[in-house]
Amino acid sequence: EAGVVQSPRYKIIEKKQPVAFWCNPISGHNTLYWYRQNLGQGPELLIRYENEEAVDDSQLPKDRFSAERLKGVDSTLKIQPAELGDSAVYLCASSLAFAANTGELFFGEGSRLTVL
Amino acid sequence: GQNIDQPTEMTATEGAIVQINCTYQTSGFNGLFWYQQHAGEAPTFLSYNVLDGLEEKGRFSSFLSRSKGYSYLLLKELQMKDSASYLCAVRNTGGFKTIFGAGTRLFVKA
Repeated sequence: EAGVVQSPRYKIIEKKQPVAFWCNPISGHNTLYWYRQNLGQGPELLIRYENEEAVDDSQLPKDRFSAERLKGVDSTLKIQPAELGDSAVYLCASSLAFAANTGELFFGEGSRLTVL
Repeated sequence: GQNIDQPTEMTATEGAIVQINCTYQTSGFNGLFWYQQHAGEAPTFLSYNVLDGLEEKGRFSSFLSRSKGYSYLLLKELQMKDSASYLCAVRNTGGFKTIFGAGTRLFVKA
């Protein structure tokens, strides 16, 4: 079974440029998360989807970040315009509804963003 | 609010036992997770505790005390490949959000 797939793995852009990340969750996982991880820190939740609905986007900087999950499967995370402080690894994760199991997160390999 | 504390770094010897502690504060508790993350890789699930007590899975065990807001991850028979960051994460009942600690970097030396 395929895991969570993310692209691109690496992206280098200049500040003020836009960037987009794509995520394909594990088949059947209705919950999808975007996390941001800075070096030496734990992942920080940006947004959580239940199917196509964003149920928690309280940590998403809405002035420059946007996300969508069309048809409740794939998701994209966009930053426009990017700032130097956005340099980080953007992790996508998915899980089953935890009412039926532990609800652990399955992470993709991440998209490492460098803003120059 | 939520707060998770764990030591920044630990060093242990191959073949030994190491215990990584985690203390947390949350407005509503709905489970505690431990994840392993090797440098440059994604976190992978290790263990889950929702009731008090010890959960054992091979060389790894995890303990939870909800009244104390405390958990530990116990790694036995350490191997060099266990050198990684270990992330403590808590899920709350308010929105079922999973919050991660900063992680403990474990160095296993020969």
